[in-house]
Amino acid sequence: DTAVSQTPKYLVTQMGNDKSIKCEQNLGHDTMYWYKQDSKKFLKIMFSYNNKELIINETVPNRFSPKSPDKAHLNLHINSLELGDSAVYFCASSRGLSGSYNEQFFGPGTRLTVL
Amino acid sequence: QQQVKQSPQSLIVQKGGISIINCAYENTAFDYFPWYQQFPGKGPALLIAIRPDVSEKKEGRFTISFNKSAKQFSLHIMDSQPGDSATYFCAARGSARQLTFGSGTQLTVLP
Repeated sequence: DTAVSQTPKYLVTQMGNDKSIKCEQNLGHDTMYWYKQDSKKFLKIMFSYNNKELIINETVPNRFSPKSPDKAHLNLHINSLELGDSAVYFCASSRGLSGSYNEQFFGPGTRLTVL
Repeated sequence: QQQVKQSPQSLIVQKGGISIINCAYENTAFDYFPWYQQFPGKGPALLIAIRPDVSEKKEGRFTISFNKSAKQFSLHIMDSQPGDSATYFCAARGSARQLTFGSGTQLTVLP
């Protein structure tokens, strides 16, 4: 019944490794997002996908690559992990780009720790 | 460059008191201003939102006041309860419909 789910919830890995975080939404939304929340709780958008197409790609290192196999899924793959990648990553979804309010629903987050 | 500035960083209020969190923005193209509430270990959840053509919106104990000319908006929590203790984020929606978040306010309501 979870609207936006992410796996795994915790991810501990060594520097230089490659890892993936998966996100699924069962709300029938067209738009999905990835956010990064740093240790000071600052939330910043990384990517936005609408109908499986990339809409926003903020200044994120190209080691981060989102993949959207279908409208319900948006995965985040990270290559050559660095210490500074340690953060909580949130997936979110919304009904679409149009509309008055466009509420974004967030997943529970994935806490990534790079050692 | 932080486009949405939020204050205070932390706030301690007695039970029953009023909590006030302020935000200011720079981009006049922002067209939607939500507030999100985040509990520890959880994702942010929409609390209340306002459009710039409205000066105030109230939902239960939560009120947004919006001052378009000053480019400022604030969240007021009336009769604050210990269960309101959380981190609150203001946000603003810009072009391409992305949300720019403020830096967050850690609210603690003492019993």
